[in-house]
Amino acid sequence: DAKTTQPNSMESNEEEPVHLPCNHSTISGTDYIHWYRQLPSQGPEYVIHGLTSNVNNRMASLAIAEDRKSSTLILHRATLRDAAVYYCILRENNNAGNMLTFGGGTRLMVKP
Amino acid sequence: GAGVSQSPSNKVTEKGKDVELRCDPISGHTALYWYRQSLGQGLEFLIYFQGNSAPDKSGLPSDRFSAERTGGSVSTLTIQRTQQEDSAVYLCASSLMANYGYTFGSGTRLTVV
Repeated sequence: DAKTTQPNSMESNEEEPVHLPCNHSTISGTDYIHWYRQLPSQGPEYVIHGLTSNVNNRMASLAIAEDRKSSTLILHRATLRDAAVYYCILRENNNAGNMLTFGGGTRLMVKP
Repeated sequence: GAGVSQSPSNKVTEKGKDVELRCDPISGHTALYWYRQSLGQGLEFLIYFQGNSAPDKSGLPSDRFSAERTGGSVSTLTIQRTQQEDSAVYLCASSLMANYGYTFGSGTRLTVV
């Protein structure tokens, strides 16, 4: 799998938007960009994924650069419950399927 | 249940003993994955089951580790002759099909003393 680079940690204020960056300069044309997050003492949970176009769901938005070499996860209004480690993962889409490879992620701290 | 269920939630075992960790995936999910996470570390892939295909065991750290998935549903991860370095949270995830998003369980915290 192609690698991703994320900042180790970020801070945000409650009720403000948060932009979590991810660089993936070696992304291939068949790689999907997945985001998961892991709240304290829990297993990771799926947040969002996309291929080329920006994506929105109830949890977040995913903005993908035109050259696909970077992406940004956007939390529109951070809450204290959003404090977690956020993982940006590239996943090749093939018929055999494959496992997700988790890197270090970004630890998001939300201040009241 | 609606989610992935893992048992036990906590397990303390003596060095050298064998342990079995159980994962009940979401009903109908064909793919099942095991990961482990040592304290303060990232997730380490262990093994992957997809339908009736041979499992991908490429992440198992040693031959003391094995896993099976019976009837395409419940999976058991077995660690033989446990060592202190096996202490970690063992996480199971399932997905509807290959390439779909994962749903993780809450994990089994294994402590080897």
